[in-house]
Amino acid sequence: KAGVTQTPRYLIKTRGQQVTLSCSPISGHRSVSWYQQTPGQGLQFLFEYFSETQRNKGNFPGRFSGRQFSNSRSEMNVSTLELGDSALYLCASSGGGYGTEAFFGQGTRLTVV
Amino acid sequence: AQTVTQSQPEMSVQEAETVTLSCTYDTSESDYYLFWYKQPPSRQMILVIRQEAYKQQNATENRFSVNFQKAAKSFSLKISDSQLGDAAMYFCAYRSTGTASKLTFGTGTRLQVTL
Repeated sequence: KAGVTQTPRYLIKTRGQQVTLSCSPISGHRSVSWYQQTPGQGLQFLFEYFSETQRNKGNFPGRFSGRQFSNSRSEMNVSTLELGDSALYLCASSGGGYGTEAFFGQGTRLTVV
Repeated sequence: AQTVTQSQPEMSVQEAETVTLSCTYDTSESDYYLFWYKQPPSRQMILVIRQEAYKQQNATENRFSVNFQKAAKSFSLKISDSQLGDAAMYFCAYRSTGTASKLTFGTGTRLQVTL
């Protein structure tokens, strides 16, 4: 069974630009969650999608948005990039139940210069 | 809001020895799940062990076991017979049930395994 795939693995963007990150979940998984990991703030929840609907959202500005497609693949978009958006962005997929295991991808390392 | 606290930024253990990583959490919920995740240098988070709050029995997975104290809101991870491959960041995480459910992580404990 293929794992969670995140693309691209590395990204360098200029302040003010926008970026789209992609996450392909494990086949059959309907829930996709996104997390931002930084040395200062640790792991912070961005949002979760389940069957194409946003089920929960973290405390991030509106510049951060996401969506999920009918095949459960998900994209995360960050507009008007700021230096502070530099982070490792992790995607996790699960079957959808609250106690089920979340399987993580290897992340996308975003650097904003 | 739920919070998860890991008070040990770094721990060290000798190969074959036992180490315990601490985690406390704060919640007013009665039904929830607790997890320990491992993040090696490759960055990919891997689930180590999971505990349902309504189960009194402590979860175990091979060399990994937890000490779940619901009243004290404590969830420690014990690693027995430590191996070099256990070296990683370990994150404790909490997830409630219900519509606002999300994984809330602690700040992590970096575990070093020495020969």
